[in-house]
Amino acid sequence: RKEVEQDPGPFNVPEGATVAFNCTYSNSASQSFFWYRQDCRKEPKLLMSVYSSGNEDGRFTAQLNRASQYISLLIRDSKLSDSATYLCVVKENYGQNFVFGPGTRLSVLP
Amino acid sequence: DGGITQSPKYLFRKEGQNVTLSCEQNLNHDAMYWYRQDPGQGLRLIYYSQIVNDFQKGDIAEGYSVSREKKESFPLTVTSAQKNPTAFYLCASSITEQYTEAFFGQGTRLTVV
Repeated sequence: RKEVEQDPGPFNVPEGATVAFNCTYSNSASQSFFWYRQDCRKEPKLLMSVYSSGNEDGRFTAQLNRASQYISLLIRDSKLSDSATYLCVVKENYGQNFVFGPGTRLSVLP
Repeated sequence: DGGITQSPKYLFRKEGQNVTLSCEQNLNHDAMYWYRQDPGQGLRLIYYSQIVNDFQKGDIAEGYSVSREKKESFPLTVTSAQKNPTAFYLCASSITEQYTEAFFGQGTRLTVV
């Protein structure tokens, strides 16, 4: 079983749509969780950290369910510029390395 | 400006040659990481280092080597033993406390010709 799994995608949605990404992780000792965005042939960039209480940043909302080992990302009112690959990332323990999911590609269509 | 600098951006290597990818950071981060990304694939960890003069193998360390003589620098050598080195290589750094993210360099695209 892979350590971090994501929806296989790709997701093709019209502008203005709401889209949800799902992620599960296998290591129950994981402590920190993130969503990164990666544009084609570029480096990943942090979109948002994911906190236990859930957090929102503008059109983006992240949720964490530790009991189910599940992380989600919701994008509302999607824009053309949201087209990218979204990576779910887990940091397992203090000072340990980051484990990346395979990513889910999003294409927002005009 | 603080950040991570990888060089070169593009690199071509002949089969059988070793090549070294540079990664420098001025963020004063203790931890540094090397990842490999193949087309349409996720990031796979090659090596990581939590402190100067110490590093650990990741999931795909075979055919690669690293050094960490300075906090700011974590070069990666792709040796001739790496059978399929053509890929996008990403260096990252972070502080070692919980809940802190990784910052990435712009990557080096290595092609074997």
